[in-house]
Amino acid sequence: GDSVTQMEGPVTLSEEAFLTINCTYTATGYPSLFWYVQYPGEGLQLLLKATKADDKGSNKGFEATYRKETTSFHLEKGSVQVSDSAVYFCALRGGGAQKLVFGQGTRLTINP
Amino acid sequence: DAGVIQSPRHEVTEMGQEVTLRCKPISGHDYLFWYRQTMMRGLELLIYFNNNVPIDDSGMPEDRFSAKMPNASFSTLKIQPSEPRDSAVYFCASSLRDGPSTDTQYFGPGTRLTVL
Repeated sequence: GDSVTQMEGPVTLSEEAFLTINCTYTATGYPSLFWYVQYPGEGLQLLLKATKADDKGSNKGFEATYRKETTSFHLEKGSVQVSDSAVYFCALRGGGAQKLVFGQGTRLTINP
Repeated sequence: DAGVIQSPRHEVTEMGQEVTLRCKPISGHDYLFWYRQTMMRGLELLIYFNNNVPIDDSGMPEDRFSAKMPNASFSTLKIQPSEPRDSAVYFCASSLRDGPSTDTQYFGPGTRLTVL
């Protein structure tokens, strides 16, 4: 079945550091790919998405590119802030289905 | 819109008691999802509905769990009898199949359930 694998956390960085959180997937067909973010005590929020190969999703300084050849959707940000501290989830939606398959989540902590 | 509304936000109960979690999806959305989040198992999809009809309940852990959606604006997740291993945060999410935000699931704030 479809699956998503994220890099193990937790990840701790200093403010203004460069961030990469790796995400790879296994799916049949052409899935849509997502990054969701969960701030402490809250539900998940969509951060960005890409629906076809080579698409780049971007939001709030975060970017991820849909790479079909490597089945990856890595999340990047050039300069992180303390307010980016949260848990980040990579997810996919297989073609024709509405349900999402989530990765295990990566906890990110940014120190001032 | 007020977003997805869940109640209660926190629930503490004793083993063996019945627990009912409630969700009001975003008005006009045609899909509703129930998830469970624990440290050990991460985020798991329990069941989802389309136009009030259950589509996939393969994630429901066992017969003690049941979910209903009597109308487009309300859903319940019931656990009877509850057990300590049911302690988790339960999220409800809704989405719209067609439109500019298709694919996006909107999550509620969650219900933190503790079973003693």
